[in-house]
Amino acid sequence: DAGVIQSPRHEVTEMGQEVTLRCKPISGHNSLFWYRQTMMRGLELLIYFNNNVPIDDSGMPEDRFSAKMPNASFSTLKIQPSEPRDSAVYFCASSLGSGTGQETQYFGPGTRLLVL
Amino acid sequence: AQSVAQPEDQVNVAEGNPLTVKCTYSVSGNPYLFWYVQYPNRGLQFLLKYITGDNLVKGSYGFEAEFNKSQTSFHLKKPSALVSDSALYFCAVADRGSTLGRLYFGRGTQLTVWP
Repeated sequence: DAGVIQSPRHEVTEMGQEVTLRCKPISGHNSLFWYRQTMMRGLELLIYFNNNVPIDDSGMPEDRFSAKMPNASFSTLKIQPSEPRDSAVYFCASSLGSGTGQETQYFGPGTRLLVL
Repeated sequence: AQSVAQPEDQVNVAEGNPLTVKCTYSVSGNPYLFWYVQYPNRGLQFLLKYITGDNLVKGSYGFEAEFNKSQTSFHLKKPSALVSDSALYFCAVADRGSTLGRLYFGRGTQLTVWP
């Protein structure tokens, strides 16, 4: 299996630009998670989907962030407009199950975002 | 509220010595508990988890962890450390009684194994 695929792996952009991060979960998995990792705040859950439906988006920082999952094999995380404080590593993870919390999450390699 | 504490930012141990990475948790109900490892410039990798049953859980690469309900702890251990074990280790908890099913991660502990 190819594992969770994220693109791009690195993104450098200027403040005010739109950024779109992409994720392809493991085939057959029905839960998808977006995390952000920074030195200051550690690993934060931004949003997660179960069967393509957003279940918990309480971690989304503000209206500049949005996430979609149009089908079971693709999700996007969009930041518009981007700000320097959005610089972080963004991880996507997927799991298989009913979303009870006992499922193992499998992480992608991450997208390293730098906003200048 | 659910939370995880990893009291040590860094753990240093000599190769061949036993290692322990500490984790305590707080949940409203009963927990599901996980350990993940992150190598530089990589995503998190699953090591082991406690769901139910035997309190001692064995995982990948010779790691194990013991669930202690009275102390609300889930410390990660390995009898003999390797230099290749050097990485960032995360403990995570989910509330068994929650309908949301999300994981709460600790801040991570950087393990360095000296040759």
